[in-house]
Amino acid sequence: DAKTTQPPSMDCAEGRAANLPCNHSTISGNEYVYWYRQIHSQGPQYIIHGLKNNETNEMASLIITEDRKSSTLILPHATLRDTAVYYCIVSPAGGTSYGKLTFGQGTILTVHP
Amino acid sequence: DTAVSQTPKYLVTQMGNDKSIKCEQNLGHDTMYWYKQDSKKFLKIMFSYNNKELIINETVPNRFSPKSPDKAHLNLHINSLELGDSAVYFCASSQDRGWRETQYFGPGTRLLVL
Repeated sequence: DAKTTQPPSMDCAEGRAANLPCNHSTISGNEYVYWYRQIHSQGPQYIIHGLKNNETNEMASLIITEDRKSSTLILPHATLRDTAVYYCIVSPAGGTSYGKLTFGQGTILTVHP
Repeated sequence: DTAVSQTPKYLVTQMGNDKSIKCEQNLGHDTMYWYKQDSKKFLKIMFSYNNKELIINETVPNRFSPKSPDKAHLNLHINSLELGDSAVYFCASSQDRGWRETQYFGPGTRLLVL
């Protein structure tokens, strides 16, 4: 599985954009980048995923560099409820690794008033 | 409506006991998973079932035995509980077993072994 590197923690002011970076320099051509988050004491929650094009949904935007070696999750208007651990995951390319998400340590995002 | 539910939410038990955790999903998904989150907050996959067939079985002690009576349920039975089994156990489901499938997680079961 491709390894991901994320900063351990970040701060963001409420109402501002939160930009969470992720490095995945060993990603393979057919591996997707997934983002999940875990709010305290809850189960992980899917946010967004992408292959090589930028993606946007109602929760966030995902910007993937052209060489696919890094990506950025953008929460356009962070709220206090966005305080959570954010995980960047590179999915395995199939075979016996179907559905096997490997969670790293993630980034603790703290949104403050 | 709860998409992925787990029971119990909390479980406190003595070392050596046998216990079960139940998981149910009402999303119509074909694949279900069990994850373990330890005290250091690392989340690791344990098992995965697709249409009641075991497809992922990570290096987990034999004391852990998953059972899927139907594709909406995946239960986890743990024999001879040990102190190190204390953790939060999360169940998840996805439409299919493909690596592009989004996984939906339950609220977790907090197991404490004394």
